[in-house]
Amino acid sequence: AQKITQTQPGMFVQEKEAVTLDCTYDTSDQSYGLFWYKQPSSGEMIFLIYQGSYDEQNATEGRYSLNFQKARKSTNLVISASQLGDSAMYFCANPGSARQLTFGSGTQLTVLP
Amino acid sequence: NAGVTQTPKFQVLKTGQSMTLQCAQDMNHEYMSWYRQDPGMGLRLIHYSVGAGITDQGEVPNGYNVSRSTTEDFPLRLLSAAPSQTSVYFCASSRLRGGRSGEQFFGPGTRLTVL
Repeated sequence: AQKITQTQPGMFVQEKEAVTLDCTYDTSDQSYGLFWYKQPSSGEMIFLIYQGSYDEQNATEGRYSLNFQKARKSTNLVISASQLGDSAMYFCANPGSARQLTFGSGTQLTVLP
Repeated sequence: NAGVTQTPKFQVLKTGQSMTLQCAQDMNHEYMSWYRQDPGMGLRLIHYSVGAGITDQGEVPNGYNVSRSTTEDFPLRLLSAAPSQTSVYFCASSRLRGGRSGEQFFGPGTRLTVL
């Protein structure tokens, strides 16, 4: 079974600074991917960014980028120039062969003014 | 497009009652799924479907039933509610494609309390 680990239950960052959220995964699949979702206090799940194991470059979407280290089986989310609205729960998730997602336990990010 | 819709948004049940959580999507997605989220945890898969007439169990299927008679709808039935089923329930849908194209779109969630 796949296992997704997010080792940081909570993180604090000063507004306008960058922050890195960790995610590691345990899978025997040669081809895999990782999704990152944001869940604000309102509760909805918002897609942020995706990295595939065969992607040659780290994914970027605006202020979000991924630091993909295939050998370490980690895909860390980097948020640059943090904003107060970035305060939320962040989840990484890996899709299985039938598209079912396995989620990590999440990291609660708080951006300080 | 409305995307993924869920009803109701909130529900309170007594132990032993049954009910159906509704989920619908208008994106013609083949894949649909139900997750539950308990406090301080990630989402866990209950059941999923890769097309009309096809369903399968996820990580935590006990106490829940699903059916998929149409592409659009994927209701979740609680057979006999228990306090352990108090949770927030999310429905999601996606194309049956790998990679970025397989992004799952989530509904707004249903907050269920079982007394």
